[in-house]
Amino acid sequence: DGGITQSPKYLFRKEGQNVTLSCEQNLNHDAMYWYRQDPGQGLRLIYYSQIVNDFQKGDIAEGYSVSREKKESFPLTVTSAQKNPTAFYLCASTPGRGSGQHFGDGTRLSIL
Amino acid sequence: EDKVVQSPLSLVVHEGDTVTLNCSYEVTNFRSLLWYKQEKKAPTFLFMLTSSGIEKKSGRLSSILDKKELFSILNITATQTGDSAIYLCAVGGTGTASKLTFGTGTRLQVTL
Repeated sequence: DGGITQSPKYLFRKEGQNVTLSCEQNLNHDAMYWYRQDPGQGLRLIYYSQIVNDFQKGDIAEGYSVSREKKESFPLTVTSAQKNPTAFYLCASTPGRGSGQHFGDGTRLSIL
Repeated sequence: EDKVVQSPLSLVVHEGDTVTLNCSYEVTNFRSLLWYKQEKKAPTFLFMLTSSGIEKKSGRLSSILDKKELFSILNITATQTGDSAIYLCAVGGTGTASKLTFGTGTRLQVTL
């Protein structure tokens, strides 16, 4: 079945540690996105990528980094510079402009 | 800056009731408005609206867009406990490479 796979489902980070969240899609979609969701808030865009080897900052990119070396993969690194990383992280993809976004099941990140 | 406001923030109804969820927006060069349902994990796509006055229906759910007044409503008739979820509204503009701006969502709880 085609879809978006995020891993792990739960992740714990120690102070000063970088962690990487995985997002893989087999939908052959060009565009991929990372969102952060906090309780009582909507989804906020962290980074997005329209094509391989290209990505742009979203609204809250500070403390995060991404790469897009392959079309199907868009990993997100939460760096130690992100002082409040506890949140639910969602990855999405879309085939192109004007299409709805498809979401993965998310990764819940917590600080130890 | 694009903006999406949803109301009410939360709602509790009895099974069988009809509910109306609201979404107002401000976006540069509007392209589309999308509704998603989020239970525990990934938001699932409900509707994409691009034209005013055309109602989209799926079972007990329906939605309509008013591009003049910049809002959309999502109606759910004969609510069931399985309708309990967060309903997210998002808008995309033509110049934003499929980026979406999300509202904070409406949390709906349907009780017996």
